Amino acid sequence: GENVEQHPSTLSVQEGDSAVIKCTYSDSASNYFPWYKQELGKRPQLIIDIRSNVGEKKDQRIAVTLNKTAKHFSLHITETQPEDSAVYFCAAPTNTGNQFYFGTGTSLTVIP
Amino acid sequence: DGGITQSPKYLFRKEGQNVTLSCEQNLNHDAMYWYRQDPGQGLRLIYYSQIVNDFQKGDIAEGYSVSREKKESFPLTVTSAQKNPTAFYLCASSSAGRVYEQYFGPGTRLTVT
Repeated sequence: GENVEQHPSTLSVQEGDSAVIKCTYSDSASNYFPWYKQELGKRPQLIIDIRSNVGEKKDQRIAVTLNKTAKHFSLHITETQPEDSAVYFCAAPTNTGNQFYFGTGTSLTVIP
Repeated sequence: DGGITQSPKYLFRKEGQNVTLSCEQNLNHDAMYWYRQDPGQGLRLIYYSQIVNDFQKGDIAEGYSVSREKKESFPLTVTSAQKNPTAFYLCASSSAGRVYEQYFGPGTRLTVT
């Protein structure tokens, strides 16, 4: 089965700096990697995802990179703002594709 | 607000009582999921259902039960057999064609004393 590890568990950055969160996975058949953002007391929401046929995807200040050989993918947030403060989760699907394994989450704090 | 609702937002129960958490969606999604969230442990899958009248156990199904009698509804019962039921419970759904993209409900925080 899939095993997803996420690092770091907490991350503090100054406003305007970049933040990077990394995840590794074990199942080489995994082909889709979403990132969810969960603000305090709210539901997780999908912010970006990447499929295994591309190495990088960008959406404004957010980007995700994928290294299939090394089996890791990363979330990059540039020019961080206080509203980026939240818990971020990575995920990878099982080989049947009908469920996810989630990472343990990264609590990001952007200091004004 | 996303089309998937959970009720109640907060729930308090005494130890030894069964309790049922509601999850309803109007997104016409085929698949529905229940996760448990504990501090530092991410989201762990309890049960999931790909279609009406069918469901499968996730990684931590012991002490929980579900039903899927309607496409729109996937209630979760936390039984007295669940050793540590106090947690934040999240329901999610996805369409069959986009099984990877899951939409989450607002969650129910269950406290058992």
